[in-house]
Amino acid sequence: QITLKESGPTLVKPTQTLTLTCTFSGFSLSTSGVGVGWIRQPPGKALEWLALIYWDDDKRYSPSLKSRLTITKDTSKNQVVLTMTNMDPVDTATYYCAHRRTGVTREDWFDPWGQGTLVTVSS
Amino acid sequence: SYELTQPPSVSVSPGQTARITCSGDALPKQYAYWYQQKPGQAPVLVIYKDSERPSGIPERFSGSSSGTTVTLTISGVQAEDEADYYCQSADSSGTVVFGGGTKLTVL
Repeated sequence: QITLKESGPTLVKPTQTLTLTCTFSGFSLSTSGVGVGWIRQPPGKALEWLALIYWDDDKRYSPSLKSRLTITKDTSKNQVVLTMTNMDPVDTATYYCAHRRTGVTREDWFDPWGQGTLVTVSS
Repeated sequence: SYELTQPPSVSVSPGQTARITCSGDALPKQYAYWYQQKPGQAPVLVIYKDSERPSGIPERFSGSSSGTTVTLTISGVQAEDEADYYCQSADSSGTVVFGGGTKLTVL
């Protein structure tokens, strides 16, 4: 059974850097084809994809947020860390991590998801 | 930037068929995926690769694709199907994109 859980601060101040950790079980990020993604959802709004990291340490970022995001993995700890710099109130959202699934043409989809963690950006 | 377009809302009566569409220029070449999200809960995958149903998802959920539009169909809608539904795909470079979401109301 695959499970994921997000952890990190619930409140950050504008201009600060957010660091979120996704701790997972039921799979290994050293296994070929495996990946973990981050997705966020502002209150009452749509899902927005942020970043993906793959078993081979390849990384992909949302073009609109690429300059602010860094995704890393610690395979031994079964963790993926997302950092987002220069936080702003518009970054207030629930942040989800999710297990990435794929097919023969290396497409990406997410199943299952973590429960999410609400991050509020306010002074 | 690439966008996937969904209707903001769809309403159906119990037992009827709900159809939720998602449009995007790259859909003829990229698979689509559908997620169900109930209030206060994380999204759940209900359809992958346009029309495949994960294990544990009821048979009343189905997906189809035609040109630049993909459709999530829920046959015999039940009250428990009331939720937000999001499509997901990728642009021509493989960047993941989500649609704006559709609120399904069961009357």
